[in-house]
Amino acid sequence: AQSVTQLGSHVSVSEGALVLLRCNYSSSVPPYLFWYVQYPNQGLQLLLKYTTGATLVKGINGFEAEFKKSETSFHLTKPSAHMSDAAEYFCAVSGTDKLIFGTGTRLQVFP
Amino acid sequence: SQTIHQWPATLVQPVGSPLSLECTVEGTSNPNLYWYRQAAGRGLQLLFYSVGIGQISSEVPQNLSASRPQDRQFILSSKKLLLSDSGFYLCAWGGIGTHSNSPLHFGNGTRLTVT
Repeated sequence: AQSVTQLGSHVSVSEGALVLLRCNYSSSVPPYLFWYVQYPNQGLQLLLKYTTGATLVKGINGFEAEFKKSETSFHLTKPSAHMSDAAEYFCAVSGTDKLIFGTGTRLQVFP
Repeated sequence: SQTIHQWPATLVQPVGSPLSLECTVEGTSNPNLYWYRQAAGRGLQLLFYSVGIGQISSEVPQNLSASRPQDRQFILSSKKLLLSDSGFYLCAWGGIGTHSNSPLHFGNGTRLTVT
């Protein structure tokens, strides 16, 4: 069975600082992994996805994530936080006919 | 291009009243369809999903039900709402096939408040 664990329900950074949101997965098959962002009162928007091939995946809004099989991790990073990055972020792994989501990490960005 | 429509955007309903939320997808055929719920302080909870017309899989036993009367239409219903049904309901499509690398595409959600 597949599962996802997001470490830290809340992360706070200063504007311009590095953003690091952690995600660890468990999967009995080669995983497909996703990061989504949700702004208040909106649906989820796909940031990036890992399927096969290059382990460093670049997404929208300057975010990227690195697939590390040995660590079963898929952490999301952004070199310099912007105020507009404040949102909730969800990591997900592909399961049987559905995506398995983590519990989410709320990112706050302070000026 | 594919689009997903979900309505209404907000809804306030009294306890014991019925519920019907509708979701439609355009620009694709035979999509997998999903209903999720976000309660305050909680993550995404998968309620139902459907891989075809009339095929509904329930993830959580409760007083909600789902139906798929047409290929690109997915309806979430309740005969009698409870206070605990309050939350943000999201419809999504995608994920075609088992262990698919296709992402889910979400609607803008319905904010349901049961009073």
